[in-house]
Amino acid sequence: GQQLNQSPQSMFIQEGEDVSMNCTSSSIFNTWLWYKQDPGEGPVLLIALYKAGELTSNGRLTAQFGITRKDSFLNISASIPSDVGIYFCAGHEAGNNRKLIWGLGTSLAVNP
Amino acid sequence: GAVVSQHPSRVICKSGTSVKIECRSLDFQATTMFWYRQFPKQSLMLMATSNEGSKATYEQGVEKDKFLINHASLTLSTLTVTSAHPEDSSFYICSALQGFNQPQHFGDGTRLSIL
Repeated sequence: GQQLNQSPQSMFIQEGEDVSMNCTSSSIFNTWLWYKQDPGEGPVLLIALYKAGELTSNGRLTAQFGITRKDSFLNISASIPSDVGIYFCAGHEAGNNRKLIWGLGTSLAVNP
Repeated sequence: GAVVSQHPSRVICKSGTSVKIECRSLDFQATTMFWYRQFPKQSLMLMATSNEGSKATYEQGVEKDKFLINHASLTLSTLTVTSAHPEDSSFYICSALQGFNQPQHFGDGTRLSIL
């Protein structure tokens, strides 16, 4: 099945640094979602985006729905150790609002 | 809000055993729930879509007789792995849809280990 292109695959940063990751698709999407998954747990929703160009923040996290509707990015500012985990982008392709298409995840490690 | 509870969190059992996993939406009604499987260091793979009061829709390659899904109420869906074998060992995660054009909310997953 289709998957989103998510990059980078992994990141190792120093505490306090900003982080940026993004996802691209080959087709138009109606929804972009960003989830964080800790080891042994289910994904937790961070930000949901529904309109092209939409820019939404959740604390230190900011995500945008690309104007072309084929990409999205997630930024984390001033990273802290508890930001460690795997971040997944996911979205609904235009015409299918039930099945989520997933990226392969970005593994984030933060050095205190 | 939008809390999804999944139980049990971990199961270890012998080959040939059938295992039932429950997924409950605690503070909302979910007409649609989803069952995923996740292998180590990989993304979530959709197995089936569970619709309240009707048959589940399975993804290509997922055996419906192997993975039985029941969605008898608006707050509960169950996945039964029948006659489980070691290759069924995995992390199974459910999610529930809060409403139209709403995001999926996930349970904490079930680690299934078949000996």
